[in-house]
Amino acid sequence: DGGITQSPKYLFRKEGQNVTLSCEQNLNHDAMYWYRQDPGQGLRLIYYSQIVNDFQKGDIAEGYSVSREKKESFPLTVTSAQKNPTAFYLCASSLGQGLHEKLFFGSGTQLSVL
Amino acid sequence: EDQVTQSPEALRLQEGESSSLNCSYTVSGLRGLFWYRQDPGKGPEFLFTLYSAGEEKEKERLKATLTKKESFLHITAPKPEDSATYLCAVQAPGGGADGLTFGKGTHLIIQP
Repeated sequence: DGGITQSPKYLFRKEGQNVTLSCEQNLNHDAMYWYRQDPGQGLRLIYYSQIVNDFQKGDIAEGYSVSREKKESFPLTVTSAQKNPTAFYLCASSLGQGLHEKLFFGSGTQLSVL
Repeated sequence: EDQVTQSPEALRLQEGESSSLNCSYTVSGLRGLFWYRQDPGKGPEFLFTLYSAGEEKEKERLKATLTKKESFLHITAPKPEDSATYLCAVQAPGGGADGLTFGKGTHLIIQP
């Protein structure tokens, strides 16, 4: 079955540590996205990528970094500069990046601080 | 700034008790309005896209409608498996899938 796989499901970060969240898709989609979801807030866009080796900052990119070396993969690194990293992180993809493109989401990674 | 407001924040219904969820928006020149369903601990799942005022779409017990200022998600004779958080998102002019603004969601509980 085609879909988006996020791992791990749960992740704990120590003070000053960088952690990387994995996102893989086998939908052959060009565009991929990272969203952050906090309780009582709407989804907020961190980074997105339309094609391999290219990505753009979203609304809350500070303290995060990404890479897009393969079409299928879009890992997110939460750096030590992100002072409030506890959240539910969602990876998504879409066939293109135009109007009316619906998003396909992974099952998310819950990141907590130790 | 584009805004999306969903109401109520939470809704508890008895099985079979029909109701509606609201999504009001202030985007000028709406390009598309999306409804997603999210189960606890999971990613959102696409339900509908609405493009213009007057448009309606249905899927099983759900019907989405759109006016120039708001969208409603009507749920008819709901079942416990309809319990979830329902998210609304709007797409602004010039915005692609990266230009979505999400509401905070309505947490719906259907009691047997």
